[in-house]
Amino acid sequence: QKEVEQNSGPLSVPEGAIASLNCTYSDRGSQSFFWYRQYSGKSPELIMFIYSNGDKEDGRFTAQLNKASQYVSLLIRDSQPSDSATYLCAVNLDGATNKLIFGTGTLLAVQP
Amino acid sequence: DADVTQTPRNRITKTGKRIMLECSQTKGHDRMYWYRQDPGLGLRLIYYSFDVKDINKGEISDGYSVSRQAQAKFSLSLESAIPNQTALYFCATSENRGGTGELFFGEGSRLTVL
Repeated sequence: QKEVEQNSGPLSVPEGAIASLNCTYSDRGSQSFFWYRQYSGKSPELIMFIYSNGDKEDGRFTAQLNKASQYVSLLIRDSQPSDSATYLCAVNLDGATNKLIFGTGTLLAVQP
Repeated sequence: DADVTQTPRNRITKTGKRIMLECSQTKGHDRMYWYRQDPGLGLRLIYYSFDVKDINKGEISDGYSVSRQAQAKFSLSLESAIPNQTALYFCATSENRGGTGELFFGEGSRLTVL
């Protein structure tokens, strides 16, 4: 079983809608969780990180963590065409090493 | 200039050739990592280093070696390249213990092995 699972997509949403991206992980000892955005051919860039159960909001982005269900999600409100990219979920299993385990990513397409 | 710099950005080589990908950083981080990215497989960790004397294998280290020449430099070598090492390679850094755990990525090195 892959340690971090994401639906590969593509997830297609109209401009202005809410995009919901989901991720599940297998290791209950996972300590921190990250969402990276990656445009085609470019390097990943951090969108948000979350440590604690619940919601964390930053502008149009909200990360949600449910450790009991081993589930983390990213909501993008008022989606824009510029949000079209691959979104990578990453899990830090060990804060001592910062070895992030990545999912395969979900491709988001925001339709104008 | 980028905080994490990779060279070369693109390289085409032949099977059996030795290849070195270089990474340098100005972020002052002790921790450095090499990942490869393949379509459908995501980012996978090859090697990581906490300082010049501390090198560790990741999940896919076979066929690769690394050298930490200085705190700011971490190079990845393919001693005898093979076609299935064709991939996009990323160097990354992170803060020392107590940081957020965030990885800061270089711009990537696209390697094609014919």
